Amino acid sequence: KAGVTQTPRYLIKTRGQQVTLSCSPISGHRSVSWYQQTPGQGLQFLFEYFSETQRNKGNFPGRFSGRQFSNSRSEMNVSTLELGDSALYLCASSSGQGGEPQHFGDGTRLSIL
Amino acid sequence: AQKVTQAQTEISVVEKEDVTLDCVYETRDTTYYLFWYKQPPSGELVFLIRRNSFDEQNEISGRYSWNFQKSTSSFNFTITASQVVDSAVYFCALSEPFTNTDKLIFGTGTRLQVFP
Repeated sequence: KAGVTQTPRYLIKTRGQQVTLSCSPISGHRSVSWYQQTPGQGLQFLFEYFSETQRNKGNFPGRFSGRQFSNSRSEMNVSTLELGDSALYLCASSSGQGGEPQHFGDGTRLSIL
Repeated sequence: AQKVTQAQTEISVVEKEDVTLDCVYETRDTTYYLFWYKQPPSGELVFLIRRNSFDEQNEISGRYSWNFQKSTSSFNFTITASQVVDSAVYFCALSEPFTNTDKLIFGTGTRLQVFP
């Protein structure tokens, strides 16, 4: 069974640009969550999608948005990039039943110049 | 509020030593799940174990064992006879089922370095 796939693995952008990250969950998983990992703040929850609906959201500004498609694939978008957005962005998928283990992708490392 | 504390930032041991990683959590809910994940240098978080709040039995899986104590709100992880391949950052996490979300609240992680 294929794992969670995130693309791209690495991305370099400049301040003010926008970026879109992609995540393909494990087949059959309906929940996709996104996390931001930085040395200073650790792992922070961004949002969770289930059946194309956002069902939970972390404490991030509106520049961070996401969506989920009918095949459960998800994208997250960050607009007007800031230096502080440099981070490892991790996507995780699960069955969505509540309390089930989340399975993570390798992440997208975003660097803002 | 829910919170997970991993007080040990970094631990260094020599191969074959036993090592225990501490995890203390806070939640007002009576029903919840606790997890441990391993993050090797490649970056992917690898699921190790899930324990629900109603099951306080200790669990052993090979060289890994977990001790869950509700009385002290702790869920500690022990690696017996550590190996170099165990070197990674280990995260303890808390989730609350029955709230229509799979959101995880992570601790800050413990970096384990195992030297040959």
